[in-house]
Amino acid sequence: DAKTTQPTSMDCAEGRAANLPCNHSTISGNEYVYWYRQIHSQGPQYIIHGLKNNETNEMASLIITEDRKSSTLILPHATLRDTAVYYCIVRPSSGSARQLTFGSGTQLTVLP
Amino acid sequence: GAVVSQHPSWVICKSGTSVKIECRSLDFQATTMFWYRQFPKQSLMLMATSNEGSKATYEQGVEKDKFLINHASLTLSTLTVTSAHPEDSSFYICSARDNYKETQYFGPGTRLLVL
Repeated sequence: DAKTTQPTSMDCAEGRAANLPCNHSTISGNEYVYWYRQIHSQGPQYIIHGLKNNETNEMASLIITEDRKSSTLILPHATLRDTAVYYCIVRPSSGSARQLTFGSGTQLTVLP
Repeated sequence: GAVVSQHPSWVICKSGTSVKIECRSLDFQATTMFWYRQFPKQSLMLMATSNEGSKATYEQGVEKDKFLINHASLTLSTLTVTSAHPEDSSFYICSARDNYKETQYFGPGTRLLVL
Protein backbone atom coordinates (compact mmCIF):
# COMPACT_ATOMS: atom_id res chain seq x y z
CA ASP A 1 0.00 0.00 0.00
CA ALA A 2 1.11 3.55 -0.63
CA LYS A 3 1.81 5.44 2.57
CA THR A 4 0.30 8.78 3.41
CA THR A 5 1.65 11.73 5.32
CA GLN A 6 -0.63 14.05 7.24
CA PRO A 7 0.00 16.85 9.74
CA THR A 8 -0.42 15.69 13.30
CA SER A 9 -2.86 18.42 14.24
CA MET A 10 -4.69 21.46 12.91
CA ASP A 11 -7.00 24.08 14.29
CA CYS A 12 -9.85 25.77 12.47
CA ALA A 13 -12.26 28.52 13.48
CA GLU A 14 -15.92 27.58 13.59
CA GLY A 15 -17.69 28.58 10.39
CA ARG A 16 -14.51 28.69 8.36
CA ALA A 17 -13.39 26.15 5.80
CA ALA A 18 -11.10 23.43 7.09
CA ASN A 19 -8.49 22.29 4.58
CA LEU A 20 -6.76 19.07 5.51
CA PRO A 21 -3.75 18.09 3.38
CA CYS A 22 -2.45 14.62 2.63
CA ASN A 23 0.66 13.54 0.76
CA HIS A 24 0.70 10.21 -1.04
CA SER A 25 3.64 10.57 -3.38
CA THR A 26 4.00 6.80 -4.04
CA ILE A 27 0.37 6.21 -4.98
CA SER A 28 -0.21 3.74 -7.80
CA GLY A 29 -2.50 4.24 -10.75
CA ASN A 30 -5.17 1.87 -9.43
CA GLU A 31 -5.26 3.23 -5.88
CA TYR A 32 -8.09 5.34 -4.54
CA VAL A 33 -7.79 8.07 -1.93
CA TYR A 34 -10.22 7.61 0.96
CA TRP A 35 -10.99 9.93 3.82
CA TYR A 36 -12.50 8.85 7.12
CA ARG A 37 -12.87 10.59 10.43
CA GLN A 38 -13.11 9.31 13.96
CA ILE A 39 -14.84 11.30 16.63
CA HIS A 40 -13.68 10.41 20.11
CA SER A 41 -14.74 6.93 21.27
CA GLN A 42 -16.67 6.16 18.09
CA GLY A 43 -16.05 4.06 15.01
CA PRO A 44 -14.61 5.77 11.93
CA GLN A 45 -17.05 7.52 9.63
CA TYR A 46 -16.69 7.43 5.87
CA ILE A 47 -16.40 10.90 4.33
CA ILE A 48 -15.44 10.70 0.69
CA HIS A 49 -13.15 9.00 -1.80
CA GLY A 50 -11.76 9.61 -5.27
CA LEU A 51 -9.41 8.32 -7.92
CA LYS A 52 -8.43 11.18 -10.22
CA ASN A 53 -11.19 13.74 -10.37
CA ASN A 54 -12.27 16.11 -7.65
CA GLU A 55 -15.26 14.88 -5.70
CA THR A 56 -17.94 16.58 -3.64
CA ASN A 57 -20.71 15.26 -1.45
CA GLU A 58 -22.88 16.59 1.35
CA MET A 59 -20.06 16.35 3.85
CA ALA A 60 -16.94 17.53 2.06
CA SER A 61 -14.96 18.11 -1.09
CA LEU A 62 -11.88 16.19 -2.15
CA ILE A 63 -9.30 17.88 -4.32
CA ILE A 64 -6.69 15.59 -5.89
CA THR A 65 -3.69 17.10 -7.65
CA GLU A 66 -3.15 16.27 -11.29
CA ASP A 67 -0.13 14.10 -10.52
CA ARG A 68 -2.17 12.41 -7.77
CA LYS A 69 0.68 12.78 -5.30
CA SER A 70 -1.35 14.79 -2.84
CA SER A 71 -4.91 15.67 -1.95
CA THR A 72 -6.88 18.04 0.23
CA LEU A 73 -10.08 17.39 2.12
CA ILE A 74 -12.21 20.49 2.47
CA LEU A 75 -14.94 20.92 5.07
CA PRO A 76 -16.60 24.08 3.75
CA HIS A 77 -18.09 25.40 6.99
CA ALA A 78 -16.55 23.68 9.99
CA THR A 79 -18.63 23.22 13.12
CA LEU A 80 -17.63 22.14 16.61
CA ARG A 81 -18.97 18.66 15.80
CA ASP A 82 -16.32 18.32 13.08
CA THR A 83 -13.63 18.05 15.76
CA ALA A 84 -12.16 14.60 15.12
CA VAL A 85 -9.15 12.67 13.86
CA TYR A 86 -9.17 12.66 10.06
CA TYR A 87 -7.53 9.79 8.22
CA CYS A 88 -6.33 9.87 4.63
CA ILE A 89 -5.90 6.35 3.25
CA VAL A 90 -4.94 5.00 -0.16
CA ARG A 91 -6.30 1.65 -1.19
CA PRO A 92 -6.09 -0.48 -4.33
CA SER A 93 -9.24 -0.86 -6.35
CA SER A 94 -8.80 -4.61 -6.61
CA GLY A 95 -6.77 -7.46 -5.21
CA SER A 96 -6.26 -8.95 -1.78
CA ALA A 97 -4.82 -5.77 -0.25
CA ARG A 98 -8.05 -3.83 -0.41
CA GLN A 99 -8.43 -3.48 3.35
CA LEU A 100 -8.02 -0.03 4.84
CA THR A 101 -4.80 0.55 6.74
CA PHE A 102 -4.92 3.47 9.15
CA GLY A 103 -2.06 5.84 9.85
CA SER A 104 -1.91 8.42 12.60
CA GLY A 105 -4.27 10.91 10.96
CA THR A 106 -4.76 14.61 11.65
CA GLN A 107 -6.43 15.79 14.83
CA LEU A 108 -8.67 18.64 13.71
CA THR A 109 -9.90 20.91 16.46
CA VAL A 110 -12.63 23.37 15.56
CA LEU A 111 -12.48 26.38 17.84
CA PRO A 112 -15.50 28.50 18.81
CA GLY B 1 -26.38 5.91 4.41
CA ALA B 2 -24.84 2.50 5.01
CA VAL B 3 -25.15 1.36 8.60
CA VAL B 4 -23.08 -1.15 10.50
CA SER B 5 -24.14 -2.14 13.98
CA GLN B 6 -22.17 -3.78 16.76
CA HIS B 7 -23.39 -5.52 19.87
CA PRO B 8 -22.69 -5.12 22.67
CA SER B 9 -21.39 -1.55 22.78
CA TRP B 10 -19.46 -2.29 25.94
CA VAL B 11 -18.74 -5.32 28.05
CA ILE B 12 -17.00 -5.99 31.34
CA CYS B 13 -15.95 -9.54 32.07
CA LYS B 14 -13.77 -11.54 34.38
CA SER B 15 -10.40 -12.87 33.31
CA GLY B 16 -10.70 -16.29 31.71
CA THR B 17 -14.17 -15.87 30.29
CA SER B 18 -15.06 -15.63 26.61
CA VAL B 19 -16.79 -12.69 25.00
CA LYS B 20 -18.66 -12.62 21.70
CA ILE B 21 -19.10 -9.43 19.67
CA GLU B 22 -21.57 -9.26 16.79
CA CYS B 23 -21.23 -7.07 13.72
CA ARG B 24 -24.10 -6.57 11.29
CA SER B 25 -24.45 -4.68 8.05
CA LEU B 26 -28.01 -3.42 8.23
CA ASP B 27 -28.78 -2.18 4.74
CA PHE B 28 -26.21 -3.77 2.46
CA GLN B 29 -24.54 -7.08 1.82
CA ALA B 30 -20.93 -7.60 2.75
CA THR B 31 -18.98 -10.56 1.53
CA THR B 32 -15.95 -9.17 3.34
CA MET B 33 -15.81 -7.84 6.88
CA PHE B 34 -12.89 -6.67 8.95
CA TRP B 35 -12.06 -6.54 12.64
CA TYR B 36 -9.87 -3.80 14.08
CA ARG B 37 -8.56 -3.09 17.55
CA GLN B 38 -7.68 0.30 18.97
CA PHE B 39 -5.76 0.97 22.16
CA PRO B 40 -5.95 4.38 23.86
CA LYS B 41 -4.35 7.22 21.92
CA GLN B 42 -3.39 4.87 19.09
CA SER B 43 -4.71 4.34 15.59
CA LEU B 44 -6.82 1.42 14.45
CA MET B 45 -4.94 -1.84 13.88
CA LEU B 46 -6.38 -4.45 11.55
CA MET B 47 -6.72 -7.81 13.28
CA ALA B 48 -8.33 -9.97 10.62
CA THR B 49 -10.28 -10.08 7.39
CA SER B 50 -13.23 -12.41 7.08
CA ASN B 51 -14.99 -13.57 3.95
CA GLU B 52 -18.46 -15.04 4.10
CA GLY B 53 -18.34 -18.80 4.19
CA SER B 54 -14.58 -19.15 4.47
CA LYS B 55 -11.86 -18.94 7.11
CA ALA B 56 -10.66 -15.57 8.27
CA THR B 57 -7.23 -14.22 7.40
CA TYR B 58 -5.36 -12.94 10.44
CA GLU B 59 -2.72 -10.23 10.53
CA GLN B 60 0.73 -11.07 11.79
CA GLY B 61 0.85 -11.30 15.56
CA VAL B 62 -2.88 -11.91 16.03
CA GLU B 63 -3.65 -15.29 17.58
CA LYS B 64 -6.33 -17.02 15.54
CA ASP B 65 -7.15 -19.44 18.35
CA LYS B 66 -7.75 -16.58 20.74
CA PHE B 67 -9.78 -14.36 18.43
CA LEU B 68 -12.31 -16.60 16.73
CA ILE B 69 -14.09 -15.09 13.76
CA ASN B 70 -17.20 -16.44 12.11
CA HIS B 71 -18.77 -14.89 9.01
CA ALA B 72 -21.74 -17.11 8.35
CA SER B 73 -23.89 -14.76 6.28
CA LEU B 74 -23.58 -11.69 4.08
CA THR B 75 -24.72 -9.45 6.91
CA LEU B 76 -23.23 -10.94 10.07
CA SER B 77 -19.75 -11.52 11.42
CA THR B 78 -18.83 -12.40 14.99
CA LEU B 79 -15.61 -12.05 16.95
CA THR B 80 -15.15 -14.21 20.03
CA VAL B 81 -12.37 -13.33 22.41
CA THR B 82 -11.62 -16.62 24.13
CA SER B 83 -10.21 -16.82 27.66
CA ALA B 84 -9.96 -13.05 27.84
CA HIS B 85 -7.21 -11.46 29.91
CA PRO B 86 -6.72 -7.87 31.05
CA GLU B 87 -4.32 -7.18 28.17
CA ASP B 88 -7.21 -7.91 25.77
CA SER B 89 -9.02 -4.86 27.10
CA SER B 90 -9.44 -2.58 24.12
CA PHE B 91 -11.84 -0.93 21.69
CA TYR B 92 -12.89 -3.45 19.04
CA ILE B 93 -14.31 -2.08 15.79
CA CYS B 94 -15.79 -4.03 12.92
CA SER B 95 -16.09 -2.89 9.35
CA ALA B 96 -18.03 -4.18 6.38
CA ARG B 97 -17.31 -3.60 2.72
CA ASP B 98 -20.35 -2.96 0.58
CA ASN B 99 -20.37 -5.53 -2.24
CA TYR B 100 -21.56 -2.97 -4.78
CA LYS B 101 -20.03 0.30 -3.65
CA GLU B 102 -16.64 -1.11 -2.63
CA THR B 103 -16.64 1.26 0.31
CA GLN B 104 -15.91 0.12 3.86
CA TYR B 105 -18.26 1.22 6.59
CA PHE B 106 -17.51 0.95 10.29
CA GLY B 107 -19.51 -0.03 13.31
CA PRO B 108 -19.66 2.10 16.46
CA GLY B 109 -17.19 -0.14 18.30
CA THR B 110 -17.28 -2.36 21.38
CA ARG B 111 -15.34 -1.41 24.44
CA LEU B 112 -14.07 -4.48 26.28
CA LEU B 113 -12.77 -4.35 29.83
CA VAL B 114 -11.36 -7.54 31.30
CA LEU B 115 -10.93 -7.52 35.06
